[in-house]
Amino acid sequence: SQQGEEDPQALSIQEGENATMNCSYKTSINNLQWYRQNSGRGLVHLILIRSNEREKHSGRLRVTLDTSKKSSSLLITASRAADTASYFCATDYFSDTDKLIFGTGTRLQVFP
Amino acid sequence: DVKVTQSSRYLVKRTGEKVFLECVQDMDHENMFWYRQDPGLGLRLIYFSYDVKMKEKGDIPEGYSVSREKKERFSLILESASTNQTSMYLCASSFPQVWRGNEQFFGPGTRLTVL
Repeated sequence: SQQGEEDPQALSIQEGENATMNCSYKTSINNLQWYRQNSGRGLVHLILIRSNEREKHSGRLRVTLDTSKKSSSLLITASRAADTASYFCATDYFSDTDKLIFGTGTRLQVFP
Repeated sequence: DVKVTQSSRYLVKRTGEKVFLECVQDMDHENMFWYRQDPGLGLRLIYFSYDVKMKEKGDIPEGYSVSREKKERFSLILESASTNQTSMYLCASSFPQVWRGNEQFFGPGTRLTVL
């Protein structure tokens, strides 16, 4: 399976700090997405970046994509305790874009 | 708001039982997916359906089957449950990429324990 990998596996920070998570993938993509999962719940879509984009913002989220390095990063600025969750990147299959390949996730803990 | 619901949040079954996990979406999505999620392994695709009565195997279909008789409903069937199928099962749905982008909408998950 062409699974992506997130780095780090776990991250602990204080409220107000920024959190950066990285994702690497293996093959050409059309887009890359980030999802969030609260403990024991389903995933929620956060943001999508297309292969021809380099950076995208949504509120306190900033995503970058470097297709030459096959990597992406998710930055959450001014973290809050409510941001505590697991974060997953997902890429499509270039030739079969309806399916996604999910990474193993970064578990973020934000302490008040 | 898109809503994807799953029939049970928690389920406990015995080895050898036939288990049905139901998923319903209310957004008229063509695509529906079943994943299992295990610690350290992320989400792995079990089966994918792109239309009524159409299905495609994912990465780990062994021991599972699916049924999609109506567009809004996608069922995952464990023909004879085994302890190694103890896991969190997640259902998702989406429009086809060529129409609306391939963002997936997830249900809350079913935590299945097989004893």
